[in-house]
Amino acid sequence: GAGVSQSPRYKVAKRGQDVALRCDPISGHVSLFWYQQALGQGPEFLTYFQNEAQLDKSGLPSDRFFAERPEGSVSTLKIQRTQQEDSAVYLCASSLGAGGPTDTQYFGPGTRLTVL
Amino acid sequence: GQQLNQSPQSMFIQEGEDVSMNCTSSSIFNTWLWYKQDPGEGPVLLIALYKAGELTSNGRLTAQFGITRKDSFLNISASIPSDVGIYFCAGQLNNYGQNFVFGPGTRLSVLP
Repeated sequence: GAGVSQSPRYKVAKRGQDVALRCDPISGHVSLFWYQQALGQGPEFLTYFQNEAQLDKSGLPSDRFFAERPEGSVSTLKIQRTQQEDSAVYLCASSLGAGGPTDTQYFGPGTRLTVL
Repeated sequence: GQQLNQSPQSMFIQEGEDVSMNCTSSSIFNTWLWYKQDPGEGPVLLIALYKAGELTSNGRLTAQFGITRKDSFLNISASIPSDVGIYFCAGQLNNYGQNFVFGPGTRLSVLP
């Protein structure tokens, strides 16, 4: 399809396991964002890429969270040694331009991570 | 960090009724966005507001950027069943940052 896709859609991990979440942005989109959405809450910003450069990672909650976008298209969010508090939906969004206020972000369906 | 408050938290309305929800903050925002999220999907942008006092419509939806730049409201007229979902406001503090702060959402249910 032409939208943002994410995989897997659902992931169950045992506490302490590492997980990797994938985002395929809309083709040609320069900016890519990751958000964390806890149950019953709005999305919370994690990190932002412009092409392959990670320009803002101020929202990453700990050094267990790592994101990359090596070729400026697909991005992976990795969580090491998962904890129960990491359980959430992880949303990816992309935008055509440099991510300014008039640059519409298109969201993917999210990956629901459950840590047991 | 910055926080947005949305009210009401949830609402049940009859099909055909008008709906009003709002979003407030203790901080001044330069941009306000309204999103709708359906179950199992990501948020979809409904309306974007860029100037204090701005009133913008998108079909049956109307949103306004408060004069104080600390609030915004969203109205939906003549609600229909497909309006069911969670409505989020999001604000951006400055024109150069890339991250938006989202409110906790208003859950709308439409009764036939």
